[in-house]
Amino acid sequence: QQPVQSPQAVILREGEDAVINCSSSKALYSVHWYRQKHGEAPVFLMILLKGGEQKGHDKISASFNEKKQQSSLYLTASQLSYSGTYFCGTEYPIGGSQGNLIFGKGTKLSVKP
Amino acid sequence: EPEVTQTPSHQVTQMGQEVILRCVPISNHLYFYWYRQILGQKVEFLVSFYNNEISEKSEIFDDQFSVERPDGSNFTLKIRSTKLEDSAMYFCASRRGQYNEQFFGPGTRLTVL
Repeated sequence: QQPVQSPQAVILREGEDAVINCSSSKALYSVHWYRQKHGEAPVFLMILLKGGEQKGHDKISASFNEKKQQSSLYLTASQLSYSGTYFCGTEYPIGGSQGNLIFGKGTKLSVKP
Repeated sequence: EPEVTQTPSHQVTQMGQEVILRCVPISNHLYFYWYRQILGQKVEFLVSFYNNEISEKSEIFDDQFSVERPDGSNFTLKIRSTKLEDSAMYFCASRRGQYNEQFFGPGTRLTVL
């Protein structure tokens, strides 16, 4: 039930782009993306609900393909502040579920100057 | 901006002792969660709480764990008899409604000796 994230790690130069993928073997209700810096709490980035949609703010956007049961996070023109571990949290349409998130193992992103 | 707060930030305890981790969710939120993260690993769901009762719990949340909302603001996680493997960062999260994002608190680092 745990979503699979890829890649596990990526190293970028400032200004480069990256894509992080999150796939589920089960039908998804929503996908939540978080960024976590070392020793800190996960910080919410965006939520995508079923129905298939794309969202974005600044240079970070995400898409959700309900049929393929996957979501992708797009980071464009990366900045040093983008470094951290990115987690997708998936929510499943289980009857009575109160929205607990099942997280992937994370993708460690390092942006170098 | 309202935020989830947690106390203490770090708790050190002896194996077999009871600990209580405290959280103050965002005031108009209705859904509350506890997650844990063992160092270097992914965030794992423990329990969700809605309408003054547990709505869902994971296999990790066994009989030694309990949650309470003793008043209108606090949300606590009690571990009755701590084990070495309970050492982890414990995050509280809350959300306003089923279709909203979850906001994480800063976490409590629990160290069991």
